[in-house]
Amino acid sequence: DGGITQSPKYLFRKEGQNVTLSCEQNLNHDAMYWYRQDPGQGLRLIYYSQIVNDFQKGDIAEGYSVSREKKESFPLTVTSAQKNPTAFYLCASGLAGTQETQYFGPGTRLLVL
Amino acid sequence: SQQGEEDPQALSIQEGENATMNCSYKTSINNLQWYRQNSGRGLVHLILIRSNEREKHSGRLRVTLDTSKKSSSLLITASRAADTASYFCAPRGSNYKLTFGKGTLLTVNP
Repeated sequence: DGGITQSPKYLFRKEGQNVTLSCEQNLNHDAMYWYRQDPGQGLRLIYYSQIVNDFQKGDIAEGYSVSREKKESFPLTVTSAQKNPTAFYLCASGLAGTQETQYFGPGTRLLVL
Repeated sequence: SQQGEEDPQALSIQEGENATMNCSYKTSINNLQWYRQNSGRGLVHLILIRSNEREKHSGRLRVTLDTSKKSSSLLITASRAADTASYFCAPRGSNYKLTFGKGTLLTVNP
């Protein structure tokens, strides 16, 4: 089946801990994105990548890091510098270009212990 | 900002009725996209309308775009309980980013 997957579905983070959220796609898409969604809010862009080995900061990149070593994978690390990490994290992918639509994964809910 | 702003924030209707949601934005766009999100799930792309198009249909969905007013509307006809979800518009400019508003929460009562 083609699609975009995220794991885990729920993730718990202790104070001062880094955690990594996984995002994988087998749609052969060049572009991948990470968004954060807080309750009752829209999506805010954290990082995006248009091609392998290249990525750019979005609107709220502080406290997060990413890598894009493979076309299929775009993991997001929530570092200890992110002081309010509790949120719903969504990964998306799409064909590069301004006409693209985005295909979203099911999301990871991150909670702080 | 390209961010779309949806109106109303919440809409409650009876099954079989039509639902209309509006979106306003501030800068020029290449296209505007509508997405649906069921509670606790990822977003699903519904429809894309290009800046040179005025109306587009997909099944029970009808989208209009007025670039002179920088606004768009999404009409869902003959609504069903399964249409209950949040709906987001995402204007797309010349860069690679989609910017989402807070959405319209649609509740369709059986």
